Amino acid sequence: DTAVSQTPKYLVTQMGNDKSIKCEQNLGHDTMYWYKQDSKKFLKIMFSYNNKELIINETVPNRFSPKSPDKAHLNLHINSLELGDSAVYFCASSQEIYRDPYEQYFGPGTRLTVT
Amino acid sequence: RKEVEQDPGPFNVPEGATVAFNCTYSNSASQSFFWYRQDCRKEPKLLMSVYSSGNEDGRFTAQLNRASQYISLLIRDSKLSDSATYLCVVNGEGPDTGRRALTFGSGTRLQVQP
Repeated sequence: DTAVSQTPKYLVTQMGNDKSIKCEQNLGHDTMYWYKQDSKKFLKIMFSYNNKELIINETVPNRFSPKSPDKAHLNLHINSLELGDSAVYFCASSQEIYRDPYEQYFGPGTRLTVT
Repeated sequence: RKEVEQDPGPFNVPEGATVAFNCTYSNSASQSFFWYRQDCRKEPKLLMSVYSSGNEDGRFTAQLNRASQYISLLIRDSKLSDSATYLCVVNGEGPDTGRRALTFGSGTRLQVQP
């Protein structure tokens, strides 16, 4: 009964490849997020979707493209992978209250290593 | 200046000790404050929300000082299982959509020793 699930858990790939990470939540939340946690452990928001609509798009290279087929899914596609993309990517979901993000539930993370 | 700043630690304390973490935030318009816990190689999980009047949950007490823009977390009677990284989180401004997003500090590592 995983609340927020991500696949794959580990991803090792070479520079220049294109890869996707999938995320699904079964909590009935309206809002989903992608975060990147780098080697310094900073957890930085990349994107946020509310009811399949992109609402936050932080300064992220356009090689990263989120896709939300429905409000329970938010996938992340990365083109032309670079060494600096190596990090742990977390998906999260929450219910917004008065346009404020409330408690966020995180997926287990996808550890991406680009060689 | 970082939006949310924390001492990275590590804080090494014996079992049973009391330990306190502080965090400062730069956005005076922030309205929501949280402490999250992240175990090694795991996802962050909400530990507790922080309310203006201060709040307690068992051995954990959170305080908010809006005038000084800092948040604290006090852990009493530390257990080995408290060893983790504690993330200070505030809501901050996203881009100009009117929506706010949570901003995470880099975390304070706690190691409780037997």
